[in-house]
Amino acid sequence: AQKITQTQPGMFVQEKEAVTLDCTYDTSDPSYGLFWYKQPSSGEMIFLIYQGSYDQQNATEGRYSLNFQKARKSANLVISASQLGDSAMYFCAMRERGSNYQLIWGAGTKLIIKP
Amino acid sequence: NAGVTQTPKFQVLKTGQSMTLQCAQDMNHEYMSWYRQDPGMGLRLIHYSVGAGITDQGEVPNGYNVSRSTTEDFPLRLLSAAPSQTSVYFCASSDRRGTGANVLTFGAGSRLTVL
Repeated sequence: AQKITQTQPGMFVQEKEAVTLDCTYDTSDPSYGLFWYKQPSSGEMIFLIYQGSYDQQNATEGRYSLNFQKARKSANLVISASQLGDSAMYFCAMRERGSNYQLIWGAGTKLIIKP
Repeated sequence: NAGVTQTPKFQVLKTGQSMTLQCAQDMNHEYMSWYRQDPGMGLRLIHYSVGAGITDQGEVPNGYNVSRSTTEDFPLRLLSAAPSQTSVYFCASSDRRGTGANVLTFGAGSRLTVL
């Protein structure tokens, strides 16, 4: 079974609109962390945001926020006021406490921002 | 501050040839890992290390060897390259101390083609 599911292979969004990228996960470990990374066409992996399973509030980092719904096991990335430079692949990943720091990755969502 | 340095960036091999992908980090990170990225599949863990002298297998270890003689270096060896090993390879490292995100810092990637 997939531990990390990103159901949107690709998305087109108009510039300046908000974007929500979906991520659902599957774990029985009560202690885990969820990560979002961005991969622009240049290929590097850029860390965006992190949410711990025990964090009381949703994580935010500038224009990025994480809509964390623990009971539904979802950790959607929200990008406010999208920009052309947000066009990239976006990956959701999870680390479980018992995983010895290994990350499990989703297949990614390709986001294209239209001018 | 170089972060994680991978070499080479591009490599073309013939089936059966051997090669080593180099990875070095200057952040004194205990944890280092190698991932491969294939289209539509996200990142998959090949091997990882939690400190000098300690290595372990990830999800897709077959055909690859690693060693960790120093904290800084974590080379990935392909002993007899196969076309199925055509991929983009990422080295990544993180701190292990304490709790929290322990965010992975990635190298720029190495694109390997096996003919």
